[in-house]
Amino acid sequence: GAVVSQHPSWVICKSGTSVKIECRSLDFQATTMFWYRQFPKQSLMLMATSNEGSKATYEQGVEKDKFLINHASLTLSTLTVTSAHPEDSSFYICSARVGRGRYEQYFGPGTRLTVT
Amino acid sequence: TQLLEQSPQFLSIQEGENLTVYCNSSSVFSSLQWYRQEPGEGPVLLVTVVTGGEVKKLKRLTFQFGDARKDSSLHITAAQPGDTGLYLCAGDISGANNLFFGTGTRLTVIP
Repeated sequence: GAVVSQHPSWVICKSGTSVKIECRSLDFQATTMFWYRQFPKQSLMLMATSNEGSKATYEQGVEKDKFLINHASLTLSTLTVTSAHPEDSSFYICSARVGRGRYEQYFGPGTRLTVT
Repeated sequence: TQLLEQSPQFLSIQEGENLTVYCNSSSVFSSLQWYRQEPGEGPVLLVTVVTGGEVKKLKRLTFQFGDARKDSSLHITAAQPGDTGLYLCAGDISGANNLFFGTGTRLTVIP
């Protein structure tokens, strides 16, 4: 299957600082990437859809200015959590859509963000 | 309101038992995927079903897509502790760019 990496795997930051998370497709080009947030023992919550070379599409209730998404190339998307607060602490996962026929998404290993 | 409802939400069984997880919706999907996620990791794709009524087998796991492509089931035979994890179904709706994820089923297999 297709491989998606995320960096860092975990990060601890102080309240008020910004954190950038990278998502890379290693062996394929991803025109569309997705960012999810997952709370303990819950399913995935889609935050935004990122298309290469265009602005991200955010889901209702997700603050665009707080969660900045950039998809500058076909293999890299970044999520920046700006002015992080403890309530932003969560597990963030990216995924990439493969192919234009059958729809499949491959996920990164996730990033655990803890804001102190 | 979640587009895809999974049941049961939690399941704890003994090693060797069989189990079935259900994924239901009132919407029609072009395809449906099943993922397994272990703690602290991203979901891993297990299977994609596309045709109504399709059955796919992956070792001890059997996946079925409903005839009307609105629901799916995952059956595990002789469960093992390594099957422990969060199972997620996800559907692809024609015209939508993203997958719609189910509510999840957390499975624990006790040795």
